[in-house]
Amino acid sequence: DIQMTQSPSTLSASVGDRVIITCRASQSVGTWLAWYQQKPGKAPKLLLYKASSLESGVPSRFSGSGSGTEFTLTITSLQPDDFATYYCQQYSSYSWTFGQGTKVEIK
Amino acid sequence: QVQLVESGGGVVQPGRSLRLSCAASGFTFSSSGMHWVRQAPGKGLEWMTFIWYDGSHKFYADSVKGRFTISRDNFKNTLSLQMNSLRVEDTAVYYCARERSGSIDYWGQGTLVTVSS
Repeated sequence: DIQMTQSPSTLSASVGDRVIITCRASQSVGTWLAWYQQKPGKAPKLLLYKASSLESGVPSRFSGSGSGTEFTLTITSLQPDDFATYYCQQYSSYSWTFGQGTKVEIK
Repeated sequence: QVQLVESGGGVVQPGRSLRLSCAASGFTFSSSGMHWVRQAPGKGLEWMTFIWYDGSHKFYADSVKGRFTISRDNFKNTLSLQMNSLRVEDTAVYYCARERSGSIDYWGQGTLVTVSS
C-alpha cells in the first residue's frame, strides 16, 4: 500500500502569511493527488484534485503542485477562514490513502 | 444540489454487527462510484471501501477486508455498509462520499459508530 506523509503536522501562522504544506508518497502516484480542508465537526471539503486543479468555488489563494512522490499545497495570504486541518490523498489502482493531516493554527 | 445523508450509526458491542445506509440525491447516483471513509475521534481520515457505479467491482482497505461489505441499490439511490465482527478500534465517524477523478468531491455529514462493551 502507498503511504502518504505530510509535513509539518502542525503549523502556526498569522493572517496574511504564505503557508506551504508538503505531502510525500511512498511511491509514485503520478498526479493522482487531492487536497482537502476539514474544520472541527465538519466533513472534509475538496480543494484541489489531480495535484493542481482547483475545485470549483475554491478561492484562488489555494494552489497545488508536484508529481510523482512530492506535492505541495500553498495558501497565499492566509485568511481567518483558512485555519483548519488539511489532508492530502492519493489514488492508485483502486486504493486511496490519506496523509495524517496538517493543522494550521493561529499564531 | 448533491446530498448524501448517512444513517444507522449508534453504540454496538464488540463482535456485533451494524449496517449503515447513505441516501443520495441531487445527482445521477447510478453513474457515480461511491466510497465509505471513516475518522476515529481526534484522528485522521481513513479510506475504507469503494464500489463501482454499477456495483460490479468493490475494493477494500486491509483493515476492513473480510469484515465489512459495501453495496448499493441504484433504484433506491442508496449506498450501504454492512459491518460485521466490530472491534473497539472501528469506533469512528463514517462518511459516505462520491468519487470523482481519483478524488472525493462530495461528502455526507457522517454518522458516529461507537463500539464499546
